[in-house]
Amino acid sequence: DAGVTQSPTHLIKTRGQQVTLRCSPKSGHDTVSWYQQALGQGPQFIFQYYEEEERQRGNFPDRFSGHQFPNYSSELNVNALLLGDSALYLCASSLGGLSRESYGYTFGSGTRLTVV
Amino acid sequence: AQTVTQSQPEMSVQEAETVTLSCTYDTSESDYYLFWYKQPPSRQMILVIRQEAYKQQNATENRFSVNFQKAAKSFSLKISDSQLGDAAMYFCALPSPSNTGNQFYFGTGTSLTVIP
Repeated sequence: DAGVTQSPTHLIKTRGQQVTLRCSPKSGHDTVSWYQQALGQGPQFIFQYYEEEERQRGNFPDRFSGHQFPNYSSELNVNALLLGDSALYLCASSLGGLSRESYGYTFGSGTRLTVV
Repeated sequence: AQTVTQSQPEMSVQEAETVTLSCTYDTSESDYYLFWYKQPPSRQMILVIRQEAYKQQNATENRFSVNFQKAAKSFSLKISDSQLGDAAMYFCALPSPSNTGNQFYFGTGTSLTVIP
């Protein structure tokens, strides 16, 4: 049973560029959440997609945008990259949103983004 | 507001010994869940254990157990018979209130080293 797949695993971008990260949810899951994990910090919630719409958003600027496709996969786009955007970006999938019980909340291994 | 605090950036333990990782939190809810996640070098967040706040009994999963003190808003993780594979970052996490969103709030993590 495939878990959450993220691509690429690593990438390096130049300040001011744009980047797209991709996430394929676990089989059977329909909801994708994105988190940013800066070095030495815990993950911070960026946004969540369900039924191809952004359902909730954390405290991130509009430079961060996303999309969910009919097959439930998702993309995270970051425009006008800043040095401070360097982080590990984690995708998590679940069924029907974040259930309170959350046994079904599965994380991917992340994309390490370095902005130079 | 939901907050999670982990005051131990780093901990170490001898193989086969016991270690306790600390976590305090704040929430206005009376019924909620708390989680410990493990993040090994592979970067994938793995659920270790969860606790339901309305349950008096502390959760246990094999060598992992919690000491949940609701009044003190404390939620520590005890790892018994530590193994080399337990070396990882450990994050305490609290979901958002059920009527306000779909995200986890994470602490800053504790890096656990297991000494052979």
